[in-house]
Amino acid sequence: GQNIDQPTEMTATEGAIVQINCTYQTSGFNGLFWYQQHAGEAPTFLSYNVLDGLEEKGRFSSFLSRSKGYSYLLLKELQMKDSASYLCAVSPYGGATNKLIFGTGTLLAVQP
Amino acid sequence: DGGITQSPKYLFRKEGQNVTLSCEQNLNHDAMYWYRQDPGQGLRLIYYSQIVNDFQKGDIAEGYSVSREKKESFPLTVTSAQKNPTAFYLCASSRPAGVSTDTQYFGPGTRLTVL
Repeated sequence: GQNIDQPTEMTATEGAIVQINCTYQTSGFNGLFWYQQHAGEAPTFLSYNVLDGLEEKGRFSSFLSRSKGYSYLLLKELQMKDSASYLCAVSPYGGATNKLIFGTGTLLAVQP
Repeated sequence: DGGITQSPKYLFRKEGQNVTLSCEQNLNHDAMYWYRQDPGQGLRLIYYSQIVNDFQKGDIAEGYSVSREKKESFPLTVTSAQKNPTAFYLCASSRPAGVSTDTQYFGPGTRLTVL
């Protein structure tokens, strides 16, 4: 089967660093995505990893270990506007399709 | 501006009625998707289409139907056969899958409530 696990909720302080973990067990692997979703809005693309290692993009970084079936999203210098749900999604299929399997999301609350 | 539009943002329907949700994109993407999002659950794929005049069932297609007559448009009909239609519906699009998976971009969503 296909399974993606993320913590349900996390709390962090403004200005701090937070790491959101994602583990996956899928029939195949063709890339991992992180999306940010504010309440009642559409998910917006944050990052994509297909090779092992760290991808940095401003305050956000994403790490992937394919051998461990593990990824994390690192948010630095947290701001109040970072309060949102963070979705981990895996593409388990080959090159014929962009179908994704989504985790349930991690709701991050940033406190003053 | 290129993007994906969904209408309406909020939709109410009476039990037993069919309703069609609109999704339009001007990104020139070949692939389009419909997801359903319920509280405490991840996005679940209803239908997807990789090219005009072709579409496939996702994981929860029962009670839904789609059409793909134009590249820009992928409407979703929620039929009276869908037992729990109240949910947040998201449409997405992407370029065709190539060597690696391509990013899906989402529309603003339609919140459907069945009264």
